[in-house]
Parts: sequence; C-alpha cells; structure tokens
Amino acid sequence: QVQLVQSGAEVKKPGSSVKVSCKASGGTFSSYAISWVRQAPGQGLEWMGRIIPILGIANYAQKFQGRVTITADKSTSTAYMELSSLRSEDTAVYYCARGTQLVPSSYWGQGTLVTVSS
Amino acid sequence: DIQMTQSPSSLSASVGDRVTITCRASQGISNYLAWYQQKPGKVPKLLIYAASTLQSGVPSRFSGSGSGTDFTLTISSLQPEDVATYYCQKYNSALLTFGGGTKVEIK
Repeated sequence: QVQLVQSGAEVKKPGSSVKVSCKASGGTFSSYAISWVRQAPGQGLEWMGRIIPILGIANYAQKFQGRVTITADKSTSTAYMELSSLRSEDTAVYYCARGTQLVPSSYWGQGTLVTVSS
Repeated sequence: DIQMTQSPSSLSASVGDRVTITCRASQGISNYLAWYQQKPGKVPKLLIYAASTLQSGVPSRFSGSGSGTDFTLTISSLQPEDVATYYCQKYNSALLTFGGGTKVEIK
C-alpha cells in the first residue's frame, strides 16, 4: 500500500532554513504529484506548493514564492520541501500528500513539526 | 489567484441532523473541488473529489455537489465520529488552494 514517511521534528532559529523529506513507497513515485501543506497551531490547512517528479516542475503558492523550494529525487522516491528565512510564524506541522490531476491528495504523510524559536 | 470561501466557519448540530457546508470559489473551477475531513490531532483525510465522487471507504452519509463556483458538502445524518474540521480545496490548475475550514461539533 502507499505510504508517505516524513522526516522528524525540527527546531530552528529565526533566519535559518529547514528541509523536510517525504519518502514514498507503493505505486509509481514519478507519476504522481507531491504537494506540501502546512498547518500552524490552531489554524487551517495551507497549500504551499507541489511537484510532479516525472516532469521535474514545481509550482508554488504566491505567499511562499522565493522562500520555498520543492524538489524530488526519483532514485529514492523522496520529495523535499525547503523553507528559508524562517520566522516564528512558520512554526507549523508540515505535511506531504500524494495526488493526481483527477484525485488530489489521497495519501498523506504523518506530518513534521517545525518549531522556529530563538 | 482563486480564493476559496467556506461557510459557516463553525456549526453545532445534533446527532442525526442533516448538515450542509458550503464552499465558494472566486472564479469558476468546473468540478475540480475536493473535500477533506480532519479530526483533532489527526492527518487530513480525503472524503470527496471531483465535487461529488466519494473516496473509497467513506461512509455514504457524506455527499458533495456543485459545479463552477458553488459547492456543498452534506452529511445526511450527523454521527459523533463526524466531529472534525472540514476543508474544501480547488485543484483546477497547478495552484491548489484550501478554504478556511468549517468546524463541526455535536450539540
């Protein structure tokens, strides 16, 4: 069955960067879109961007343009989300999710808590 | 960018009640609309995609409708296990956007 396993919790200083990984198993990694979604404490879901590994093209929400980079390593079936210039408002649980053009985000990772604190 | 607006932001209903949540897109998105359920402390779960197609394993009391700019999620008979926050998401383009969420509680 499909599984998305994310890297562990991170504590970062303001101004630094964080890179979260999402390793997929089951299914054909390259053919699906991997989205990154975050959820700040007590807040709603916020879509950050996505990548389609077979195309190598990433799209980003305008809010995160210039600060987020989403990549994928087809050889290890792993997607990455790197967020730079971290500030306290970036403290959130970050999720990866797999979907297609027709069925979005049907599988989700377990989430990675990123805490930004001085 | 297309904005997604959900209403209400929260609701309280009795077990067995019919519950309706609406989602409005600022521009037409055809039927590229999904609904998710997120229970407290849990990972979001896809309920409905293509506006009205039930994801495998989702109880039939959940249904979705709509096209263009106006969509609804209906729970025909609210159950205690349906306590959650529900989100809509548009996916008609490479930019996916969530609605603000609707928190459903039991009265």
